[in-house]
Amino acid sequence: AQSVTQLGSHVSVSEGALVLLRCNYSSSVPPYLFWYVQYPNQGLQLLLKYTTGATLVKGINGFEAEFKKSETSFHLTKPSAHMSDAAEYFCAGALMNSGYSTLTFGKGTMLLVSP
Amino acid sequence: DTGVSQDPRHKITKRGQNVTFRCDPISEHNRLYWYRQTLGQGPEFLTYFQNEAQLEKSRLLSDRFSAERPKGSFSTLEIQRTEQGDSAMYLCASSLARHEWETQYFGPGTRLLVL
Repeated sequence: AQSVTQLGSHVSVSEGALVLLRCNYSSSVPPYLFWYVQYPNQGLQLLLKYTTGATLVKGINGFEAEFKKSETSFHLTKPSAHMSDAAEYFCAGALMNSGYSTLTFGKGTMLLVSP
Repeated sequence: DTGVSQDPRHKITKRGQNVTFRCDPISEHNRLYWYRQTLGQGPEFLTYFQNEAQLEKSRLLSDRFSAERPKGSFSTLEIQRTEQGDSAMYLCASSLARHEWETQYFGPGTRLLVL
């Protein structure tokens, strides 16, 4: 079955440290891939997306992600964490089995940032 | 552009009661999606519309659930004879279906608690 998997339900970093949130997809045909962020009691906000073209994608708030077809991955990174980055992050794919029309989400990774 | 809005933001109901949620998409968006998010999980697709037509329904959408988008603008999601397992955040999203990879913009969600 085609799916999106996020490794690690919680990631803790210190302020200023590198942020790395992992996402892998399972699909014979590469999906379109998205990272969303969700702050408490709010909806999801798009951070960045990969559709076609350049595999390194830059998003808002200093985040970026690289699509690696050989590794079926789309990991999210940020060089230096901010306290305001503490939130839940969701990787999602528009997969071929849904006609690319709906999103399949990972279970989410809660990012905790300590001073 | 005021974004996607949802009403109510919170709903507490007793088991067996019917509830109805409303979603107003971004005005020019022709696609509208409903997702459900339970604690510790990513959003799961329920159904989506293109204009007035309901194009796809998930197996998660039991017979107690019905969604409409009568004039291709706002949408309603009704749950009949609610059960405790229906307690979740119900998210609405909209997009402009020009390409397969169009971004879905999410509303703040309606949090349902069934007692």
